[in-house]
Amino acid sequence: AQKVTQTQTSISVVEKTTVTMDCVYETRDSSYFLFWYKQTASGEIVFLIRQDSYKKENATVGHYSLNFQKPKSSIGLIITATQIEDSAVYFCAMRENTGKLTFGDGTVLTVKP
Amino acid sequence: EAAVTQSPRNKVAVTGGKVTLSCNQTNNHNNMYWYRQDTGHGLRLIHYSYGAGSTEKGDIPDGYKASRPSQENFSLILELATPSQTSVYFCASGDDLLVNTLYFGAGTRLSVL
Repeated sequence: AQKVTQTQTSISVVEKTTVTMDCVYETRDSSYFLFWYKQTASGEIVFLIRQDSYKKENATVGHYSLNFQKPKSSIGLIITATQIEDSAVYFCAMRENTGKLTFGDGTVLTVKP
Repeated sequence: EAAVTQSPRNKVAVTGGKVTLSCNQTNNHNNMYWYRQDTGHGLRLIHYSYGAGSTEKGDIPDGYKASRPSQENFSLILELATPSQTSVYFCASGDDLLVNTLYFGAGTRLSVL
């Protein structure tokens, strides 16, 4: 079975710094898709960024970027120049061949002034 | 405007009662999903659908049924609600089977007393 693991339960940083959140996954698929989602304090869940496994270059969207290390089955989320409003829960997810998305348990990010 | 709408947003039910959670999407996506989220946990998949008339079991389907009468609507049914089903439920639609970026509703908070 496919599995997604986020080992960091919570992280606290000072605003304007860079933070990296870790995620490792298990899959037997040769091609797959990896995602990061953000859940705000209001409960809203939004899609942030995606990495296609067949692409070597790391995805970047705004101040979000990914550190994709395929041999290590790792997909880290990097947030640069963090802002107070980046405080949220961040979920890593992986698409299975069936189309299902398997989620990790999430990392709580707190950005302090 | 919201593309995935859940109703009700909050629900209090009695043990043994029937509960129906509704979801409507205007994204014209084929795929729709029901997840539950419990404190300290990620999103766990209950049921999903590839299109009107289809429903598939997710990772934790016991005690739940699903119905997809149309492209736009996907319902989650608890025939005999139990206190262990107290949770926050999220509906999502997926853009396509290959990539399947999910777009979430705002969630339904269900309490079973």
